Amino acid sequence: DIQMTQSPASLSASLEEIVTITCQASQDIGNWLSWYQQKPGKSPQLLIYGATSLADGVPSRFSGSRSGTQYSLKISRLQVEDIGIYYCLQAYSAPFTFGSGTKLEIK
Amino acid sequence: EVQLVESGGGLVQPGRSMKLSCAASGFTFNNYDMAWVCQAPKKGLEWVATISYDGSSTYYRDSVKGRFTISRDNAKSTLYLQMDSLRSEDTATYYCARASGLRGYYVMDAWGQGASVTVSS
Repeated sequence: DIQMTQSPASLSASLEEIVTITCQASQDIGNWLSWYQQKPGKSPQLLIYGATSLADGVPSRFSGSRSGTQYSLKISRLQVEDIGIYYCLQAYSAPFTFGSGTKLEIK
Repeated sequence: EVQLVESGGGLVQPGRSMKLSCAASGFTFNNYDMAWVCQAPKKGLEWVATISYDGSSTYYRDSVKGRFTISRDNAKSTLYLQMDSLRSEDTATYYCARASGLRGYYVMDAWGQGASVTVSS
């Protein structure tokens, strides 16, 4: 099974700050990586697909990048509405696996 | 508007069965693969199972193989998860999700509100 190692587990940042979350895949998954945001008490929502493409309706301050088997989600200017838990997901091969999540809070 | 509405959750004893349903609307259901994803209390997301758009192919995580069955009724635009031989570790919120190929990449681009399943005596 492909393991997705996500870091950090939690993150506290100030408004307007740049935030970066990473996922390391245990093997090559190409661009089969997506990012999800789960706001408190809500269902997950798709943010990024194909490692770098922004999903419809997602603010442009969110972006995704890839370097080999390391994937990053960047929030360029943190806003209050961005608090929640972020997950990566590899859909390269079953069993599909999520990262362990990053809890993002406002400092 | 895409909508996915789960039902059928609740409290069940260990070893018993439960069936979840997910009613889909706002899109052509039989054009999409569908999935179940679970989230144990205060834990992260775990993929459970996926079914192809026509029901011909199914995939499961190892811990539910032989106990859970994913199925669909395209005439009713409804996804199901039959859960047998339930264990305490199956306690979770179960989300129904639509699986799409966006620019060829497989993603879960719509989610239901979740159905809570508690396995306890």
